[in-house]
Amino acid sequence: SQTIHQWPATLVQPVGSPLSLECTVEGTSNPNLYWYRQAAGRGLQLLFYSVGIGQISSEVPQNLSASRPQDRQFILSSKKLLLSDSGFYLCAWSVEGRGNSPLHFGNGTRLTVT
Amino acid sequence: AQSVTQPDIHITVSEGASLELRCNYSYGATPYLFWYVQSPGQGLQLLLKYFSGDTLVQGIKGFEAEFKRSQSSFNLRKPSVHWSDAAEYFCAVGAGTGNQFYFGTGTSLTVIP
Repeated sequence: SQTIHQWPATLVQPVGSPLSLECTVEGTSNPNLYWYRQAAGRGLQLLFYSVGIGQISSEVPQNLSASRPQDRQFILSSKKLLLSDSGFYLCAWSVEGRGNSPLHFGNGTRLTVT
Repeated sequence: AQSVTQPDIHITVSEGASLELRCNYSYGATPYLFWYVQSPGQGLQLLLKYFSGDTLVQGIKGFEAEFKRSQSSFNLRKPSVHWSDAAEYFCAVGAGTGNQFYFGTGTSLTVIP
């Protein structure tokens, strides 16, 4: 069966520090991969999605970036964190090329920028 | 443009009472529809999905949802709510080749003992 791992679970970082969140998927090949952000009490905001290695689409201009160095690895990064980057970050995957494939989410990373 | 609306930001029900969470969507073709549940501090868990066929779909944890094309709705229901159902519920529409998902803003459910 497929599983998705996301880490760390919680992170407290000072403003201006770098960020690296990692997500890996097991049990499937060539998945679509996604990074979402959820601000407190609000819905989901799509940040990035990827349909293959090295292929990243950005939905929202910001100081975050994403990379997909391997088929089942998706990394969210920042060179310098802002206070506004605080939030709950969710990685997700779906089956490539199938519109009826649901998103499967990781357990999320709670990021607090101080 | 595609969109999903969950009109109820917050709902409170008594344990054992029935539940209906509303979801309306805007999409030009036949949508792929999903309901997710999120417990505090956790990721989203898929409750159920609709692609085609029978418009009443069954999901996990005793939930069901009904697709009504004429009303552009996909409401989530449960006959008898348990205290453990307290969570945030999200309706979503999938489109295209799987790259696009549109989420509602969520409905927070409180269950009173």
